[in-house]
Amino acid sequence: DGGITQSPKYLFRKEGQNVTLSCEQNLNHDAMYWYRQDPGQGLRLIYYSQIVNDFQKGDIAEGYSVSREKKESFPLTVTSAQKNPTAFYLCASSIRTGQNNSPLHFGNGTRLTVT
Amino acid sequence: DQQVKQNSPSLSVQEGRISILNCDYTNSMFDYFLWYKKYPAEGPTFLISISSIKDKNEDGRFTVFLNKSAKHLSLHIVPSQPGDSAVYFCAAIPNTGTASKLTFGTGTRLQVTL
Repeated sequence: DGGITQSPKYLFRKEGQNVTLSCEQNLNHDAMYWYRQDPGQGLRLIYYSQIVNDFQKGDIAEGYSVSREKKESFPLTVTSAQKNPTAFYLCASSIRTGQNNSPLHFGNGTRLTVT
Repeated sequence: DQQVKQNSPSLSVQEGRISILNCDYTNSMFDYFLWYKKYPAEGPTFLISISSIKDKNEDGRFTVFLNKSAKHLSLHIVPSQPGDSAVYFCAAIPNTGTASKLTFGTGTRLQVTL
């Protein structure tokens, strides 16, 4: 059963600590994305990757880092430089980014709380 | 600057009636539009899309209408069912863009009551 797995579902960290959110997909999709959702706001793009070993900044990349060493995996690190890290993080994938009719498939998200 | 706007944060509709969710956009470069549905504590799921060359797209109980001159689109759900209760996000892509250029609205929470 193909899909996107994000883990953990809930994550708690102390301020000043880096934390890495996992995202794995077995859909054989080329492109992967990280979004952030805050109350009253739409989803905002943090980073995306169109192919292994390549990734691009999205609209709100500051304070985040990613890697794409394998096609299936696109982990997101929330660094201590991110000023407001508490949020709901969503990972997504699509067949390719070259076509706009390739809808995104989302994972179930990780809710990160930093205190 | 919110380029995709969903001005109604919530909507309540009786089961069996029509639900109409609205979305406005400001960027005239947008030419492909999508609706996603999201349940609490889950990721959004793709619902329906429409290209700017069309003004209507239908899929079962879901129909999306696009009015390019007004920069407005709407999602109609007929008949509404309790399982349709969720947050609905409108999203748009510019004609020069790809999925990486997807811009989401802020969402409308639909509650279908018995």
